[in-house]
Amino acid sequence: NAGVTQTPKFQVLKTGQSMTLQCAQDMNHNSMYWYRQDPGMGLRLIYYSASEGTTDKGEVPNGYNVSRLNKREFSLRLESAAPSQTSVYFCASSEAGADKNIQYFGAGTRLSVL
Amino acid sequence: RKEVEQDPGPFNVPEGATVAFNCTYSNSASQSFFWYRQDCRKEPKLLMSVYSSGNEDGRFTAQLNRASQYISLLIRDSKLSDSATYLCVARESGYSTLTFGKGTMLLVSP
Repeated sequence: NAGVTQTPKFQVLKTGQSMTLQCAQDMNHNSMYWYRQDPGMGLRLIYYSASEGTTDKGEVPNGYNVSRLNKREFSLRLESAAPSQTSVYFCASSEAGADKNIQYFGAGTRLSVL
Repeated sequence: RKEVEQDPGPFNVPEGATVAFNCTYSNSASQSFFWYRQDCRKEPKLLMSVYSSGNEDGRFTAQLNRASQYISLLIRDSKLSDSATYLCVARESGYSTLTFGKGTMLLVSP
């Protein structure tokens, strides 16, 4: 099993450009998450999907949209990228209903917005 | 706002040393706790869950103090490979989302 796979691994955008970060998991997990990680800020939740067909805002949703395409895939879209969105983005998944809700992370996407 | 607070460090220790990290959480409704490990420029990975009775996994021991709302991680006989950032994590009962601390950096030197 590959676990959680994110693409691309690296991306450079110009201000105003759009792009979609892709995430797929092969663990049959119900819940999926998008985080961003900035120096000194820790991991902050952008959006999550508790189950297929549902999405909810996290702590820092502004400037982002998400799509839970199916049980496996959860994409994050930046419609008009801004320098403040320069960050490392992590996708994660977990088994819904599991008492401990252990999350498994992808390798991350390093995004720079110029 | 739910918060998990950690000393950012770095903690510099020699090989073989014992080191302990604490973190505090503000949400008394938090029910599940974890320690994740994150290597430089890598994704976080689960190190261990934290149980109310305390638990041990090899050289690692985790403790939970609900009354004082803090969690600890003890690493014995530190190895060079233990150098990483350790993230303290809490989950509120009934929620699927986690609250992450900003991490404590550990540097183990020869």
